[in-house]
Amino acid sequence: AQSVTQLGSHVSVSEGALVLLRCNYSSSVPPYLFWYVQYPNQGLQLLLKYTSAATLVKGINGFEAEFKKSETSFHLTKPSAHMSDAAEYFCAVVNMDTGRRALTFGSGTRLQVQP
Amino acid sequence: EAQVTQNPRYLITVTGKKLTVTCSQNMNHEYMSWYRQDPGLGLRQIYYSMNVEVTDKGDVPEGYKVSRKEKRNFPLILESPSPNQTSLYFCASSFGPRPGQEGTQYFGPGTRLLVL
Repeated sequence: AQSVTQLGSHVSVSEGALVLLRCNYSSSVPPYLFWYVQYPNQGLQLLLKYTSAATLVKGINGFEAEFKKSETSFHLTKPSAHMSDAAEYFCAVVNMDTGRRALTFGSGTRLQVQP
Repeated sequence: EAQVTQNPRYLITVTGKKLTVTCSQNMNHEYMSWYRQDPGLGLRQIYYSMNVEVTDKGDVPEGYKVSRKEKRNFPLILESPSPNQTSLYFCASSFGPRPGQEGTQYFGPGTRLLVL
């Protein structure tokens, strides 16, 4: 069974500061990993994904994540936070070996950006 | 514009009154899925469909039905809604397995349901 753990349900940073959102996964097969962002009253938008190619993945809006197999981690970072980054972020894993292809989501991290 | 649409976006109903939430995608995706989002639990899969006339249960299927008669549509049916089905519902779609698209799902805007 696969699972995802996001450490910290709320993270607050100052505008211009480094953003670090933590995600650890558990998977018995090589995982496909995703970060999605949810802005208020909107659906989920794909930020970036890891599908066994490069371990450092660049996404939209200046975000990137690094897949570290030894640490079973896929942390999301952005060098400099912007007010518009305030949203909820979800890490997810999918097992493509099963037909279900269900995304298993973490419980989410709400990012606040202080001026 | 490539998108997944859901209707209605907001719905208030009473216990036992059948309702349908529609989902439609214009990307010719084979795979479609329904999730519910509850505070502290993230998103959980309700049902999914690999293609037309092929549907199966996800993690939390109790109290829900689906159908897939056309490739673009995947309605979610609550035959007898109960208050514990109050939630935020998302429809998602994706291509079948193909390189570069593994597992990438595109989400609709969500339907917020309140069952009294």
